[in-house]
Amino acid sequence: QKEVEQDPGPLSVPEGAIVSLNCTYSNSAFQYFMWYRQYSRKGPELLMYTYSSGNKEDGRFTAQVDKSSKYISLFIRDSQPSDSATYLCALNRDDKIIFGKGTRLHILP
Amino acid sequence: DAGVIQSPRHEVTEMGQEVTLRCKPISGHDYLFWYRQTMMRGLELLIYFNNNVPIDDSGMPEDRFSAKMPNASFSTLKIQPSEPRDSAVYFCASSYAGKETQYFGPGTRLLVL
Repeated sequence: QKEVEQDPGPLSVPEGAIVSLNCTYSNSAFQYFMWYRQYSRKGPELLMYTYSSGNKEDGRFTAQVDKSSKYISLFIRDSQPSDSATYLCALNRDDKIIFGKGTRLHILP
Repeated sequence: DAGVIQSPRHEVTEMGQEVTLRCKPISGHDYLFWYRQTMMRGLELLIYFNNNVPIDDSGMPEDRFSAKMPNASFSTLKIQPSEPRDSAVYFCASSYAGKETQYFGPGTRLLVL
């Protein structure tokens, strides 16, 4: 079983919709949970990070962590065409960051 | 701040040739990371440095890969000899006082023919 699983997509949704992106993980040692956004032909950029179960909100973005289920989510409200990118979850344990393979998201105008 | 700078942005070479990728981290950052990204394997950590010292190189695929950080503002990743399976996008990232908030460079697209 891979340490971090993420559906590669692509996920296509209409502009204005709520987007839900998810990752599951297998190792309960993970302590920090992050979401990176990567535009085409660019490097990933950090969107949000959290180290506890529950929700963390930043503008239109909400990160959710459920440690009991080993499940993390990123919600995007009022999605915009500019949100079209690949979203990678990243988890930190034992001084190592493990990235998911990323989910490609297309917001349709 | 100019962000993390990588060069070259694109590299096309023939199998067996030596390839050197370069990275300038953000000034003041004390961690530097080298990653490789492919469709099949996603983003993989190759090696990382803390205060110019290599800490974990367990992700380096084989002895053909080597990385150095002679000072706080420069690092290289060398592949010698290169093989077609090394074709990928190589990213350098840096961070300050921890590994959670990493700033990535634009990447080097390497194609080995």
